Amino acid sequence: DADVTQTPRNRITKTGKRIMLECSQTKGHDRMYWYRQDPGLGLRLIYYSFDVKDINKGEISDGYSVSRQAQAKFSLSLESAIPNQTALYFCATSDSRPSGTGELFFGEGSRLTVL
Amino acid sequence: AQSVSQHNHHVILSEAASLELGCNYSYGGTVNLFWYVQYPGQHLQLLLKYFSGDPLVKGIKGFEAEFIKSKFSFNLRKPSVQWSDTAEYFCAVSRYSSASKIIFGSGTRLSIRP
Repeated sequence: DADVTQTPRNRITKTGKRIMLECSQTKGHDRMYWYRQDPGLGLRLIYYSFDVKDINKGEISDGYSVSRQAQAKFSLSLESAIPNQTALYFCATSDSRPSGTGELFFGEGSRLTVL
Repeated sequence: AQSVSQHNHHVILSEAASLELGCNYSYGGTVNLFWYVQYPGQHLQLLLKYFSGDPLVKGIKGFEAEFIKSKFSFNLRKPSVQWSDTAEYFCAVSRYSSASKIIFGSGTRLSIRP
C-alpha cells in the first residue's frame, strides 16, 4: 500500500461545483503539502501545513482552501471549480525531525478536469 | 522570494550520451537543494539532495549533481544515459530553515532515443 494516498485519482466536474481532494499518509510525517502540476510550469505550491494547527499559503492559493483534520490527513478544496484549475494535483509529506531526510514523499496524484 | 529556473525545457539525447541539466536558484542564503524525477505516469521521487558538505552529490541510478554556490547552480549530470532515463526532471530548493517550504522549477523533459 502507498504511504501517501490521494483520493480520488481522477475526477471530472463542472464549473462552479465544489470539489475536495483528500490525502492521507502512514509515514508519521508532520509536514504536508499540496502542489499542482501543469505542463511547462512544473509544480507550484498551493498550501502547506507544518502541523495540525499550522496552515500556510503557497505560491497559488487563490481559489483553494485546505483542512488539516489530523496529522495524517490534509484535504484540498475547490469551493467553486473553474476550468483553469484543471491540473494534476499532488499531495506530499516531509519529516522535520533531525532524523528525517528532509525530502518530500509524494502521492500518486489526482487528475482533476473542470469542464 | 526564492525561485528556481530550469532553462532546458526539453532535451533529446541518444543512448550513451552524456547529460547535464541546468538548475539555478535565486535565494542568497543557505539552501537545501534537490533533484526529483517523474517517470511517465508516475509520481515524483527523489534522485539526490544537497544539504551541506561535499558539493558533489551522488544519487541513485548513476546521477550526480554539483552545487556551485558562487553561480547559484545545482546542475544534474549523468555520464551515459539509458533509454530508461526518459522522464521529467525537477530541481527544487528550500531555505536552510526549519520553517521553509520547498519550491520547484518548471521541469526538464528528457527523451532518450534508443
